Amino acid sequence: DSGVTQTPKHLITATGQRVTLRCSPRSGDLSVYWYQQSLDQGLQFLIQYYNGEERAKGNILERFSAQQFPDLHSELNLSSLELGDSALYFCASKRDGEKLFFGSGTQLSVL
Amino acid sequence: SQQGEEDPQALSIQEGENATMNCSYKTSINNLQWYRQNSGRGLVHLILIRSNEREKHSGRLRVTLDTSKKSSSLLITASRAADTASYFCATDPSDQAGTALIFGKGTTLSVSS
Repeated sequence: DSGVTQTPKHLITATGQRVTLRCSPRSGDLSVYWYQQSLDQGLQFLIQYYNGEERAKGNILERFSAQQFPDLHSELNLSSLELGDSALYFCASKRDGEKLFFGSGTQLSVL
Repeated sequence: SQQGEEDPQALSIQEGENATMNCSYKTSINNLQWYRQNSGRGLVHLILIRSNEREKHSGRLRVTLDTSKKSSSLLITASRAADTASYFCATDPSDQAGTALIFGKGTTLSVSS
């Protein structure tokens, strides 16, 4: 158990809909990262937050947004969903070191 | 964009054999890390090697880094069926401030008993 909690584990929705993925980092970890994993693109970095502020941005679509709350949990919002958004979405956290601790992921299926 | 590229994409071996996976990357790095992912699960950190290190060991794992060739290798000795998983290299770019670890597409290792 990495200590990073992601909910829900599975999400099935329709095109055009909006969903929210939730992540609770390890206790005390200030940094939260979101990654998208798909068969064709591999593991793509989306966005990073540090102590409530956006720190780095990767290949995140404009339809996607995220935030980190004062209690350090983070949410990834995906809107106007398309079939191609179907993927495994991971949250990872870290404290001061360099290695990431990953959650178990949310499997999103857009039908 | 993909920074690391693992080779081979897939590897099948027998228990007791050694498994070697390679990773090539494109830019200068602070460190390179290897992660393991069991099917459909989250990634787990295995080992980190810094840009000024050439080799590192952890249990049955041996990692090498050649910054002149921008490449790394992960050796798993005496493989076990439980080593069956996907293995990813991840680089921490030193020339891109404000970015995160960049992962390759991974090597899928199958160890049969």
